[in-house]
Amino acid sequence: KAGVTQTPRYLIKTRGQQVTLSCSPISGHRSVSWYQQTPGQGLQFLFEYFSETQRNKGNFPGRFSGRQFSNSRSEMNVSTLELGDSALYLCASSFEGNTEAFFGQGTRLTVV
Amino acid sequence: DAKTTQPNSMESNEEEPVHLPCNHSTISGTDYIHWYRQLPSQGPEYVIHGLTSNVNNRMASLAIAEDRKSSTLILHRATLRDAAVYYCILRDVVVGAGGTSYGKLTFGQGTILTVHP
Repeated sequence: KAGVTQTPRYLIKTRGQQVTLSCSPISGHRSVSWYQQTPGQGLQFLFEYFSETQRNKGNFPGRFSGRQFSNSRSEMNVSTLELGDSALYLCASSFEGNTEAFFGQGTRLTVV
Repeated sequence: DAKTTQPNSMESNEEEPVHLPCNHSTISGTDYIHWYRQLPSQGPEYVIHGLTSNVNNRMASLAIAEDRKSSTLILHRATLRDAAVYYCILRDVVVGAGGTSYGKLTFGQGTILTVHP
């Protein structure tokens, strides 16, 4: 059974640009969540999608957005990148809320 | 959001049991207790989860206090591969239409576990 796949693994962007990250969940999983990990703030919840609808949202500015497609694949977008957006972005999928979540390897975003 | 409190770090010797504590005094009835661990340069890995009763799996055991305000992750025989950051997390599960459910994971700072040979 394939795990959670995140693409790309590494990304370098310039301040002011926008970026789109992709997450393919485990087959059959309908919940996809996104997290930002930085050395200073640790792992912070961004948003959760379930059946193509955003169900939960973390405390991040509107520059951070996401969506989920009918096949449960998800994308997150960050517009007008700032240096502080440099982080490891992790995606997790689960079948339902009362089951375990499986994380991808993450996308390492560097903003210069 | 309910919060968890864990010691910043713990140490253990190889092949000895390890008890990792977690306090979650503001836990609500819909919060599941999850444990994940993270190795350097990897995404978090699921360890175990439970709601009210103690749980066992091939990786670990989870002991949940009767009032659910604390829990303990038990690694029965630590190995060098168990050295990682361990996160105790509450997952606020919401039941939606048709009985399906979802819920976000709220991470704390975690416990850095060091295992000595």
